[in-house]
Amino acid sequence: DAGITQSPRHKVTETGTPVTLRCHQTENHRYMYWYRQDPGHGLRLIHYSYGVKDTDKGEVSDGYSVSRSKTEDFLLTLESATSSQTSVYFCAISDVGRNTIYFGEGSWLTVV
Amino acid sequence: GQNIDQPTEMTATEGAIVQINCTYQTSGFNGLFWYQQHAGEAPTFLSYNVLDGLEEKGRFSSFLSRSKGYSYLLLKELQMKDSASYLCAPKGGSQGNLIFGKGTKLSVKP
Repeated sequence: DAGITQSPRHKVTETGTPVTLRCHQTENHRYMYWYRQDPGHGLRLIHYSYGVKDTDKGEVSDGYSVSRSKTEDFLLTLESATSSQTSVYFCAISDVGRNTIYFGEGSWLTVV
Repeated sequence: GQNIDQPTEMTATEGAIVQINCTYQTSGFNGLFWYQQHAGEAPTFLSYNVLDGLEEKGRFSSFLSRSKGYSYLLLKELQMKDSASYLCAPKGGSQGNLIFGKGTKLSVKP
């Protein structure tokens, strides 16, 4: 198994509060990604990182920010959580060639 | 634009063979991934095709035709544990990231 740890694994939060999800890898891979998965949709890319302090937006980035201050950690922040952000969030990592992309176990977020 | 099409659901019998098709349209195509995802779990990598043709890996094989924008995943000797969703994901677009289809939910029955 790829060394990817997501935390927290489950969280319930209130509308309007900030939330941070953490992805930690032990593989020293360059690329890290945050996806969300919702019924009726495929996995959708929120943000990704191609190196320390190098990040870019994905398909559904509104309402989310990310930071990568060191290779092993990629943080996803919901600045002011809304009910539409209730979802399962997956972190993923890949090496430079991006020929294999591994997923973390997921973080279940409920915004009430 | 980018579009991925795969059947929503399929049912097959234990021991049989099933083929899951995927058609895609994406700019800057650079390979296609297949993932397996059991309910409540993370996607797990099955295959990655860059060139046209068939790649075989045990009971699972994956085929790619770049000119037709078409791929399939072939599962042989189906087992109950193969009941899962199968995700087709071409790599492309301006950023070279994966673009996921909605997945095909496969149910294997005794």
